[in-house]
Amino acid sequence: EADIYQTPRYLVIGTGKKITLECSQTMGHDKMYWYQQDPGMELHLIHYSYGVNSTEKGDLSSESTVSRIRTEHFPLTLESARPSHTSQYLCASSQLPGGNSPLHFGNGTRLTVT
Amino acid sequence: GENVEQHPSTLSVQEGDSAVIKCTYSDSASNYFPWYKQELGKRPQLIIDIRSNVGEKKDQRIAVTLNKTAKHFSLHITETQPEDSAVYFCAASKGTNFGNEKLTFGTGTRLTIIP
Repeated sequence: EADIYQTPRYLVIGTGKKITLECSQTMGHDKMYWYQQDPGMELHLIHYSYGVNSTEKGDLSSESTVSRIRTEHFPLTLESARPSHTSQYLCASSQLPGGNSPLHFGNGTRLTVT
Repeated sequence: GENVEQHPSTLSVQEGDSAVIKCTYSDSASNYFPWYKQELGKRPQLIIDIRSNVGEKKDQRIAVTLNKTAKHFSLHITETQPEDSAVYFCAASKGTNFGNEKLTFGTGTRLTIIP
């Protein structure tokens, strides 16, 4: 079934560790996004990509980095996790081109940095 | 850039009554307005969207209205049920031929249906 998959679902990690949040989609979409969201709160765009080798920073400044080597894969990396990075990270994708198209979200990774 | 304001931030409604959530946007060039529902612990999911060439769209108990002149759009839920309890987000974007628009989200409305 075409969907967008995020792993891990939950992650508890100590300060200073390097982490990578995985996001893969089988929807054939070119555009992918990372949002940061405290549970039930506002969605903040932190990174997006229009296609392979394209990455842009979003509206909310983030210490994380992303890469887009393959169309279906858009991992997010934190080189040195801090407690302030504790949040939920949602990956999303949408179709390109075609003008206005809805976002499809993954189930998210809930990150806790101790 | 686009700015989307959403009200109210919380809304409690008796089961069976109607709920209305309102959003305003700042960029008159915005032409796509989706609504997302996020249940507790789950991902946001699109429930309805409207484009600027129509003023109203309905899907069963859910409807969205758009007033381009006033730059506001609203979500209407009729005959509310307990499963409508969730956080609802409105959004706006400015589509281009290259499809490189970004959605700007509102701050969300926590809707609680009282049995």
